[in-house]
Amino acid sequence: EIVLTQSPGALSLSPGERATLSCRASQSVTSNYLAWYQQKPGQAPRLLIYGASSRAAGIPDRFSGSGSGTDFTLTISRLEPEDFAVYYCQQYGTSPVYTFGQGTKLEIK
Amino acid sequence: QVHLQQSGPGLVKPSQTLSLTCAISGDSVSNNAWSWIRQSPSRGLEWLGRTFYRSKWYNDYAPSVRSRVIINGDTSKNQFSLQLNSVTPEDTAVYYCARGPYISAWALDYWGQGTQVTVSS
Repeated sequence: EIVLTQSPGALSLSPGERATLSCRASQSVTSNYLAWYQQKPGQAPRLLIYGASSRAAGIPDRFSGSGSGTDFTLTISRLEPEDFAVYYCQQYGTSPVYTFGQGTKLEIK
Repeated sequence: QVHLQQSGPGLVKPSQTLSLTCAISGDSVSNNAWSWIRQSPSRGLEWLGRTFYRSKWYNDYAPSVRSRVIINGDTSKNQFSLQLNSVTPEDTAVYYCARGPYISAWALDYWGQGTQVTVSS
């Protein structure tokens, strides 16, 4: 099983600042099948990035993904008030087919 | 626009079977891969399994629940379902259904609204 470790566990920033979230895999992720999700309280996760760097439909271009192999990054270039939430990475591969990181909580400073 | 609507009981007794259904609109259950995921404070986001149709139905299940889980697709009702047998309080969680198509590198692009399921007598 591929284990995903996200860092930091929590991040305190102000609107307008840049956020950099990390996701490290215990083994190389198949074909860079790495996704990022945003989750707000009481809501289902929302897909932001798939295939490590492709933005999902309707996602603002301030969100970007990068990385390959075992190290991946989600960057939010200029934080908006609605961006404060929990962010998860997820990989697709062999059994189990999907695994998730433990999440990074992005908080308003 | 794809929409997933979940239904099923929010309270299940220990040792009984948890059953949830996910009705699909805007897509066909036979066109993509369809997953169940749960979320709890202790286990985080945990993928349970998926079903997809390629001339016949296929399933993948997470090792953690493989002995207790069944996921079925129903083309006549355009929906898919989750059955989790012999539940314990550890199965208390919010359960989600989601779509995971090849076109999004298998990422889960549409989710149901979530169902809080509590296992308690």
